[in-house]
Amino acid sequence: DAGVIQSPRHEVTEMGQEVTLRCKPISGHDYLFWYRQTMMRGLELLIYFNNNVPIDDSGMPEDRFSAKMPNASFSTLKIQPSEPRDSAVYFCASSPGGGGDTQYFGPGTRLTVL
Amino acid sequence: AQTVTQSQPEMSVQEAETVTLSCTYDTSESDYYLFWYKQPPSRQMILVIRQEAYKQQNATENRFSVNFQKAAKSFSLKISDSQLGDAAMYFCAYRVLGGAQKLVFGQGTRLTINP
Repeated sequence: DAGVIQSPRHEVTEMGQEVTLRCKPISGHDYLFWYRQTMMRGLELLIYFNNNVPIDDSGMPEDRFSAKMPNASFSTLKIQPSEPRDSAVYFCASSPGGGGDTQYFGPGTRLTVL
Repeated sequence: AQTVTQSQPEMSVQEAETVTLSCTYDTSESDYYLFWYKQPPSRQMILVIRQEAYKQQNATENRFSVNFQKAAKSFSLKISDSQLGDAAMYFCAYRVLGGAQKLVFGQGTRLTINP
């Protein structure tokens, strides 16, 4: 079975532009997570979904960030407008269910905002 | 709030030797899970091993094993017979059972394998 798929792998954009990151979770997984990795803050959860419904978005840094999951096989993380401090690696992860289920990570998207 | 601390920013070991990476955590919960993830230069986060807090037996996966000390809130990773492919960042992570699903990560330890 394919793992978590993220696109693009790299994104370079200019400040003020809209950025959309995409994720396809592992088929059959009920949970989807968006994490951000920076040198200063390490790995931090931005938002997660259960059965396509956002459950906890307390990690979303500000209103410029939004995430959607229109169906069980696709999610987007959008930044509008982007700023240089948004430069980071963004990971999508999925897990089969709650409890102690392991989260499986995608390869990440490296975002650079100039 | 739960926190995870990895006190060793960098570690190095000779190929074929054994190395132990340290992790401590702080929580008031009694039921939780602990994980070690590996992040090689490709930046893919790969699960190495997991431990359920209610299990007294330490988890083992081939050359990887943990020393879980619940009372001390310590969760170290031992890598035996180190191989060049083990070179990576290693992250310790915590997740409470039920409730919030998020993983709380430590800052990571960069492991170098010397040939």
